[in-house]
Amino acid sequence: DTGVSQDPRHKITKRGQNVTFRCDPISEHNRLYWYRQTLGQGPEFLTYFQNEAQLEKSRLLSDRFSAERPKGSFSTLEIQRTEQGDSAMYLCASSSSGSGNIQYFGAGTRLSVL
Amino acid sequence: AQSVTQLDSQVPVFEEAPVELRCNYSSSVSVYLFWYVQYPNQGLQLLLKYLSGSTLVESINGFEAEFNKSQTSFHLRKPSVHISDTAEYFCAVSGTNDYKLSFGAGTTVTVRA
Repeated sequence: DTGVSQDPRHKITKRGQNVTFRCDPISEHNRLYWYRQTLGQGPEFLTYFQNEAQLEKSRLLSDRFSAERPKGSFSTLEIQRTEQGDSAMYLCASSSSGSGNIQYFGAGTRLSVL
Repeated sequence: AQSVTQLDSQVPVFEEAPVELRCNYSSSVSVYLFWYVQYPNQGLQLLLKYLSGSTLVESINGFEAEFNKSQTSFHLRKPSVHISDTAEYFCAVSGTNDYKLSFGAGTTVTVRA
């Protein structure tokens, strides 16, 4: 068990650019979640996958945000036309069905939009 | 929907003193409750959880939390803190048939020698 892995750890981009983050969940976990955390706040839920199906995406912050999980393995979160307000820590978590919703988090990707 | 209120944003404490971090939740359904710890520039680590059964749950590093359904609380305690306990602590709630966690705003614990 290598834990949840996120890449990159840090991303600095200019406003208007597109960015993509990757998350590799714990291998036997079928559920994957994305959260966003801004300074001084707790994580805020964005979206959720069970296997390859995206079962909840209404919390994605705008249509500039999209997430995929092809083949139910790793996931990507893309932000198009980044804005300064997108600067935050993006956290990925995974869990297995029937585990009491115990979610294990990765170290996060810190995005800075200049 | 569920929500969490962490009543203290910052808690300074001396080494070897006790600490209590307060957490209250709101929910119309049965819940799971969690405490996570976050060290600087790191992700969240699960500290302890309440799923069912005994209302008092403990972690391996001396923390404990008690689920109080009537007061809708899940306060975190440690009888004697160490410098290494300096971190931010988040309380989280989930409905038992839900998938997302709802987090409080966090409590920053600073342990001083």
